[in-house]
Amino acid sequence: KAGVTQTPRYLIKTRGQQVTLSCSPISGHRSVSWYQQTPGQGLQFLFEYFSETQRNKGNFPGRFSGRQFSNSRSEMNVSTLELGDSALYLCASSLGQGQGGYTFGSGTRLTVV
Amino acid sequence: KQEVTQIPAALSVPEGENLVLNCSFTDSAIYNLQWFRQDPGKGLTSLLLIQSSQREQTSGRLNASLDKSSGRSTLYIAASQPGDSATYLCAVSGNNNDMRFGAGTRLTVKP
Repeated sequence: KAGVTQTPRYLIKTRGQQVTLSCSPISGHRSVSWYQQTPGQGLQFLFEYFSETQRNKGNFPGRFSGRQFSNSRSEMNVSTLELGDSALYLCASSLGQGQGGYTFGSGTRLTVV
Repeated sequence: KQEVTQIPAALSVPEGENLVLNCSFTDSAIYNLQWFRQDPGKGLTSLLLIQSSQREQTSGRLNASLDKSSGRSTLYIAASQPGDSATYLCAVSGNNNDMRFGAGTRLTVKP
């Protein structure tokens, strides 16, 4: 079966711009979680969506937002980009509440210049 | 708030050695615990998933144990190979729909 697909794989943006990242979960998975990974902070939880509802949110500023569509695909948006937003953004899908564990995508590498 | 700690932060061993990676967590009210492997610049690959009611899981040369009451898990790798070189991450899922990660153990297996 197809895995978790994240697009694009790489992005270069300028400070102040906004960016949208996409994640398509494994078929049948209704939960999508987003994580930011940086060398200094490790993996940080951004938010989790289940059946189009945000169920939990990490400690990130309001510039970070997301949504989930009826087909479980999810998008993450970052507005007014800062240099510190440069990171690997990973999404993970699961059946729900971690049932069966989480499967990660390959990530989107965002570089802000 | 769940805190996950992994020890050691880095480990270098000669090929063929058996090794143990440690993970501890502060809140024992977990749903499950998952071990992942990450190669540089890549996503996470799931290695083993242990449900909260289980004590251990095995896959090939890998064995993971879980002691929920003491907040500990170990990942045992038998007969290590250079291809095992990667960062190993432990993640704990709670009942609040998020997964908390440790900082990882960077493993180098020397030929």
